[in-house]
Amino acid sequence: QKEVEQDPGPLSVPEGAIVSLNCTYSNSAFQYFMWYRQYSRKGPELLMYTYSSGNKEDGRFTAQVDKSSKYISLFIRDSQPSDSATYLCAMRTGGGADGLTFGKGTHLIIQP
Amino acid sequence: GAVVSQHPSRVICKSGTSVKIECRSLDFQATTMFWYRQFPKKSLMLMATSNEGSKATYEQGVEKDKFLINHASLTLSTLTVTSAHPEDSSFYICSAATWKGVYEQYFGPGTRLTVT
Repeated sequence: QKEVEQDPGPLSVPEGAIVSLNCTYSNSAFQYFMWYRQYSRKGPELLMYTYSSGNKEDGRFTAQVDKSSKYISLFIRDSQPSDSATYLCAMRTGGGADGLTFGKGTHLIIQP
Repeated sequence: GAVVSQHPSRVICKSGTSVKIECRSLDFQATTMFWYRQFPKKSLMLMATSNEGSKATYEQGVEKDKFLINHASLTLSTLTVTSAHPEDSSFYICSAATWKGVYEQYFGPGTRLTVT
């Protein structure tokens, strides 16, 4: 079993829809959870950062962490074609400058 | 703020040669930088952690003599792929960690290496 599982998609939804992206993980020591957006042939861009369980909202984006289920989600409201990209979940155990463990990424397509 | 650059963005080299990739934090200092590798349709995989002024820490399975890392200053880390082979062809991405209440990693745009 891989440490972080993420459905690679593609996930195609119409413009304006609510998008739900998810990751599951096996290592219960993960405490810090991140979502990155990556456009083709570019480096990942940090979108959201959460610690432990709970919700965090930033504009159209909401991140949820359920440590009891080892399940994290990213919701995108009022999706736009410009949101089309690959979304990667990432996590780490400590709060220091440690390397990240990534999911494979979900390719999201927002249809105009 | 928190911009990371990489150079070159794309490089093609012949098998057996060495290639150096630079990673710079442009508007902040980073005592720790990371090197990742990403194969098509695969996750980013951490290769090594680079700390300024000390030896890099390599992940299991990554050959330290093949992937030489130098973190000579608080804004620059370099990755040298020595004696490159076609199987080293990949997308190499660096990140730099900065403290913003917690440590956040900011990624460079990546370097596409093709070994012929």
